[in-house]
Amino acid sequence: ILNVEQSPQSLHVQEGDSTNFTCSFPSSNFYALHWYRWETAKSPEALFVMTLNGDEKKKGRISATLNTKEGYSYLYIKGSQPEDSATYLCAFNNAGNMLTFGGGTRLMVKP
Amino acid sequence: EPEVTQTPSHQVTQMGQEVILRCVPISNHLYFYWYRQILGQKVEFLVSFYNNEISEKSEIFDDQFSVERPDGSNFTLKIRSTKLEDSAMYFCASSETRMGNTIYFGEGSWLTVV
Repeated sequence: ILNVEQSPQSLHVQEGDSTNFTCSFPSSNFYALHWYRWETAKSPEALFVMTLNGDEKKKGRISATLNTKEGYSYLYIKGSQPEDSATYLCAFNNAGNMLTFGGGTRLMVKP
Repeated sequence: EPEVTQTPSHQVTQMGQEVILRCVPISNHLYFYWYRQILGQKVEFLVSFYNNEISEKSEIFDDQFSVERPDGSNFTLKIRSTKLEDSAMYFCASSETRMGNTIYFGEGSWLTVV
């Protein structure tokens, strides 16, 4: 059984704060690490697919890094806005065809 | 932007009944998936489908479940003889290629078994 863990489970920040959270995953048989942003009653929105150790990807104020040797990825949000409030999911893709998800980090940004 | 669409958004069914959840994947995608999330738990993989056959399935996907692509656009998940523990959000997803590519999810179908 593959274990993908995210921390923290939930996070409250003030508008304008920068924040980050962690996804840890098995360091063996790594193929890709996916990040999703999921708002209630909407479909999970794909943010990044990361495949190479040391990868850094950026989309607007959101960025992510990847360390496959130690099995973790960080997601950063710079200058959080209320519209960033969502659950952020990471998912590990090994040599098979399936994604193994973490439990998510629920972010709430207060105006 | 192309999207994965799912119907129904919510279905309530009696225990023991059969349910069919429907999905229209993104049109040029070749790989299709079903995932589910039981309330309070992680999103779990059920099955992947390529070239009109199952390519991978989890332990959850037993004989109670089946998938089909009946007409080249729809992708369905059938759950026979539903149980209370089948209550969950069921997500359909699709991707262009097998691995390392973005997997696009639908909004989910919330199934409640009573």
